[in-house]
Amino acid sequence: GENVEQHPSTLSVQEGDSAVIKCTYSDSASNYFPWYKQELGKRPQLIIDIRSNVGEKKDQRIAVTLNKTAKHFSLHITETQPEDSAVYFCAASPASGSNYKLTFGKGTLLTVNP
Amino acid sequence: DAMVIQNPRYQVTQFGKPVTLSCSQTLNHNVMYWYQQKSSQAPKLLFHYYDKDFNNEADTPDNFQSRRPNTSFCFLDIRSPGLGDAAMYLCATSRDRGGYTFGSGTRLTVV
Repeated sequence: GENVEQHPSTLSVQEGDSAVIKCTYSDSASNYFPWYKQELGKRPQLIIDIRSNVGEKKDQRIAVTLNKTAKHFSLHITETQPEDSAVYFCAASPASGSNYKLTFGKGTLLTVNP
Repeated sequence: DAMVIQNPRYQVTQFGKPVTLSCSQTLNHNVMYWYQQKSSQAPKLLFHYYDKDFNNEADTPDNFQSRRPNTSFCFLDIRSPGLGDAAMYLCATSRDRGGYTFGSGTRLTVV
């Protein structure tokens, strides 16, 4: 099955700096890669996603890049703010048949210091 | 206007006493998932329904069962909860290959 590795497990940055979280996946058939933000005690919320037919996607301060050859994808947050502090999960979904399930990375605890 | 609703938010059950967690959705999504999330860990898929078709993960214990009586509702039954089953249980929905919408979760405590 799919295996998703996520690094780093914790990341601390100063407000205004950029933050980068990296993930690798094992199943070359995966073609959907979402990122979720989970604040303490709350549900994971989709913040951005990318499909394998594009290499980069941007939404305001958040961007995701995908390298299918290397099987890795990254989340970039620019001009970080304290409210960006949360656990971020990457995920990958294989594309075979009706298999739409997501496999998650272990998460990155991002702390943005004021 | 919560779209994926889980009840209850907090559930305390006794060791070995059957418990049912519920999930409902107003999105008319055809896929529903149950994930188990333990502290500081990634959500782990237990099973999912694609329409009426049930798909169990190979490593999901037999202690866990699920029912989906209609498009809107899905239940997680834990037949004999053990201390190791204490976790947050997340329900999620999607329309085919679309992004997931998660419920707020049910935090299960086993005493």
